[in-house]
Amino acid sequence: KAGVTQTPRYLIKTRGQQVTLSCSPISGHRSVSWYQQTPGQGLQFLFEYFSETQRNKGNFPGRFSGRQFSNSRSEMNVSTLELGDSALYLCASSLVQATNTEAFFGQGTRLTVV
Amino acid sequence: KNQVEQSPQSLIILEGKNCTLQCNYTVSPFSNLRWYKQDTGRGPVSLTIMTFSENTKSNGRYTATLDADTKQSSLHITASQLSDSASYICVVTLNTGGFKTIFGAGTRLFVKA
Repeated sequence: KAGVTQTPRYLIKTRGQQVTLSCSPISGHRSVSWYQQTPGQGLQFLFEYFSETQRNKGNFPGRFSGRQFSNSRSEMNVSTLELGDSALYLCASSLVQATNTEAFFGQGTRLTVV
Repeated sequence: KNQVEQSPQSLIILEGKNCTLQCNYTVSPFSNLRWYKQDTGRGPVSLTIMTFSENTKSNGRYTATLDADTKQSSLHITASQLSDSASYICVVTLNTGGFKTIFGAGTRLFVKA
């Protein structure tokens, strides 16, 4: 069965712009989590969605938001981009809540803010 | 403070040799601990997941151990291969009524021919 699909794979944006990233989970998985990974900070949890509801949220500013659709696909949005938002954004899907079951990661979206 | 610390930060070994990576945590109350392998530029791939009652779990040449009393875990790689070169990330989940995930900074492993 198909894995977790993230689009786009690479993205270059200008400071101040906004960006939307997409994540399609494994078929049947209802939980999608988003993470930011930078060389300096490692993997950091952004938020988790389950059945279209945000269940957990990390310590990120309100510029970072997300949503989940009825088909479990999820999008995350970053507004007013800053240089420090340059990172690999990963999403992971799992059958139920990500933190209690195995999570499968996508390949990530590499965002560069210039 | 809930923390997950991994050591060493990086490691270089020769192909065919064994190695052990360490993960110490101060997370409470503990729910589970997972080890992930992440190749450069790719998403992490799960190696093992252990709950409080499990003290060892294997996945091919990878064997993870967990000592819940001392809050330590290790990942042992046997007969290393060049393809084992990657970052290995320890992830601990705590359950305080809701689940929270704490990530270690990872150990970067280089396997040389």
